[in-house]
Amino acid sequence: QKEVEQNSGPLSVPEGAIASLNCTYSDRGSQSFFWYRQYSGKSPELIMSIYSNGDKEDGRFTAQLNKASQYVSLLIRDSQPSDSATYLCAVNSRETSGSRLTFGEGTQLTVNP
Amino acid sequence: NAGVTQTPKFQVLKTGQSMTLQCAQDMNHNSMYWYRQDPGMGLRLIYYSASEGTTDKGEVPNGYNVSRLNKREFSLRLESAAPSQTSVYFCASRLGLAETYNEQFFGPGTRLTVL
Repeated sequence: QKEVEQNSGPLSVPEGAIASLNCTYSDRGSQSFFWYRQYSGKSPELIMSIYSNGDKEDGRFTAQLNKASQYVSLLIRDSQPSDSATYLCAVNSRETSGSRLTFGEGTQLTVNP
Repeated sequence: NAGVTQTPKFQVLKTGQSMTLQCAQDMNHNSMYWYRQDPGMGLRLIYYSASEGTTDKGEVPNGYNVSRLNKREFSLRLESAAPSQTSVYFCASRLGLAETYNEQFFGPGTRLTVL
């Protein structure tokens, strides 16, 4: 089992819709969870971090964390073509020491005008 | 405030050549990281430095060496490049004061091709 798994994608949604991106992780002791956005040919950019169970909202983005079920998700409301990118889930795993992150392979999102 | 900078942006090497990728951060961060990114493989950690004066192997360290020159700079060296090292290399840094705050910030990357 991979340490961090994401929807295989690609995911395609129409403009204005809600895009839902999911991520599961294997280490129950994980404490920190992050979503990065990566445009083609660019570096990953941090868009959300979440540390506690529940929802965290930032503009059109909502991160949801459920430690009991070991999943973290990212919702993008009112999706825009500019949201088209690959989204990477990253988890601080106790198994790999506190200063390291383990990344999923990413989910490619396309928002169609 | 430039954040994390990397040089060079692009590089083509022949098999067996050596080179050093440079990374610097101006955010007074304690921890620095080197990743490689290959299609379908995601980001894989090569080496990291949790604090100045320390370095540790990551997931894929073979064929690489690192130097934490000072708090700002962390270099990655390929002693004898191989075609399997063709990849995009990202440097990242993290404040590192508390285990909870693990946000890492990435540089723009170096696109390396080994012929």
